[in-house]
Parts: sequence; C-alpha cells; structure tokens
Amino acid sequence: AQSVTQPDIHITVSEGASLELRCNYSYGATPYLFWYVQSPGQGLQLLLKYFSGDTLVQGIKGFEAEFKRSQSSFNLRKPSVHWSDAAEYFCAVGSSNTGKLIFGQGTTLQVKP
Amino acid sequence: GAVVSQHPSWVICKSGTSVKIECRSLDFQATTMFWYRQFPKQSLMLMATSNEGSKATYEQGVEKDKFLINHASLTLSTLTVTSAHPEDSSFYICSPNTLGGPNYGYTFGSGTRLTVV
Repeated sequence: AQSVTQPDIHITVSEGASLELRCNYSYGATPYLFWYVQSPGQGLQLLLKYFSGDTLVQGIKGFEAEFKRSQSSFNLRKPSVHWSDAAEYFCAVGSSNTGKLIFGQGTTLQVKP
Repeated sequence: GAVVSQHPSWVICKSGTSVKIECRSLDFQATTMFWYRQFPKQSLMLMATSNEGSKATYEQGVEKDKFLINHASLTLSTLTVTSAHPEDSSFYICSPNTLGGPNYGYTFGSGTRLTVV
C-alpha cells in the first residue's frame, strides 16, 4: 500500500540555521513526490515536485529536495531558514494511475529568533 | 493555468443543518475532482473523488450519504455535508485531477473551514 511517513512531528531551528525535513514513502512504482507548505488557517502551497530526471529538485522560497530511490526518501532542505518559514510542511506521493495524493502526517516548523 | 475557486472560505452552521461547498475550475475542464479533509492539527486525507457525469467514489470509512458529491459539469464540483454535526468540523479542500499535465499536484482550492455548533 502507498504511504508517506514524516518522522518528525515538530522541529525547531534558529533563524539562519539550515533545515532538513525528512520524508519516506512506500510506493510500488516510480513515485510522483511533492512538498507543500501550509500556514495556519491557509491552504496548501506547492514548494517543489519530483516526477523524473535530476534527483535534486529546486523549488520556491529557496527550498530543495533530493530523491533517493535506494532509501525511499525525499527530504526537504533549506540552507538558511527565515522566520517566515515557520509553518506546517507536508510531503505527499501521487499515484501515477489515479492522480490521488497521499499526504504524510506533516512537520511543524518553528523558527527561533 | 489550472485555477480553482472554492467557496465559501469559512462557514459556521448549526448542528443538523446542511452545508454546500463549491469548487469551480476557472480556466480548464476538470473531469475529476478530489475532495480532501483536514482535521485540526492533522494531515489531509482523501475523502472522495468526484467524476463529471457519474457517481463519486468514496474512500473507506467516508459516509457517502452524509457527504454528497455532485459533479454535474466540467467546471463545477460540489460537496454537501448533510445533517452536519460538530465532529464534521474540519477544513475541506478540493483539487482537480491534473495527472499527466504540467500542473499535476499544483492546484488546490483555497479550502473551506467548516465549524458546526
């Protein structure tokens, strides 16, 4: 069965520090992978996605993610976090058959000044 | 492209009443619409898939008689929460199925926050 796991429920980093949010997936075929950000009370914003090709994907707001098939991972990174990055982050896998998205549990990012 | 308009953004209703949520695709034709639900401080879970001109398909555990979905045209899908109860209070988000296109995974409605009192 398809699934997405975000092992870290809550992460706190200092402003200016680097960030890595973990995501592991289970999917039978080549996955379509996504990272989204959600501010409180708001909808979803797509940060980046991986379909195929270069396994290092660049996204908006200075985020990047690396697809590692051998580890079934798609971790999100940012070299220097800004206070405005505090939000909820969701990793998702998309079905290449149906288009349905399965979301991870989410990681809450808190940024200390 | 692939812009979706969802409304209302928020609604408060009394227990036992029904609420309709609309999701309109503004610049494309959506033959399939996904409806997700997000309880407070939780992740998004797919509730159902609406298909233009045919019956919706529901995920396991979702009551089809309670969550009525209509997809009568290629630009409009609606979700009606019937006889709403406080446990139905949630954030509901629609998303067209754009699999195969460049916008796949990009387009979501802005969400509807339902509070049942």
